[in-house]
Amino acid sequence: SQQGEEDPQALSIQEGENATMNCSYKTSINNLQWYRQNSGRGLVHLILIRSNEREKHSGRLRVTLDTSKKSSSLLITASRAADTASYFCATDEATGFQKLVFGTGTRLLVSP
Amino acid sequence: GAVVSQHPSWVICKSGTSVKIECRSLDFQATTMFWYRQFPKQSLMLMATSNEGSKATYEQGVEKDKFLINHASLTLSTLTVTSAHPEDSSFYICSASPDNYGYTFGSGTRLTVV
Repeated sequence: SQQGEEDPQALSIQEGENATMNCSYKTSINNLQWYRQNSGRGLVHLILIRSNEREKHSGRLRVTLDTSKKSSSLLITASRAADTASYFCATDEATGFQKLVFGTGTRLLVSP
Repeated sequence: GAVVSQHPSWVICKSGTSVKIECRSLDFQATTMFWYRQFPKQSLMLMATSNEGSKATYEQGVEKDKFLINHASLTLSTLTVTSAHPEDSSFYICSASPDNYGYTFGSGTRLTVV
């Protein structure tokens, strides 16, 4: 499977600042999802955006999707130290076979 | 909400032995489950799709004789790492979709082969 790419690979910010992560993918998709992973732990589903949606909000999270550019962004507003984690985008490819393909991930560090 | 339980959460085994990892959907039936592998500071790579009652579908480059998958019931899939070697040390995560839409992940299994 062709893994998507995320940038930046790592991001270091201060509490209260906004964090923006970008994801690019290669194939047509049914939807795109963002996950969070604390070090050495399982994944937590954050938000899902369908291919016919352009923007979605959930609390301090804002996700955009541009299918013409095959890209998505995740914005975390008013970041907190507890937001420190790795963030992954994952695409549900429109291949007829159900499976998620993950991006390379962004490691976010939020300093108090 | 939908829960996927994965066991064990960590395991240490000797080189040459086999290790079985279980993935259970606790409150829903899963005809399909997915197995991922993650190396330190890297992303998740899909290894195989586990199908209840039939053979698993392996991704390119994944040895099916090395990573045996059994999906004998609608709530249980197992991954057996056979003849494990130190290079098989990794974090293995399973997932399932309760509604063919969203995905729920297990908490992962950290395998260390010594």
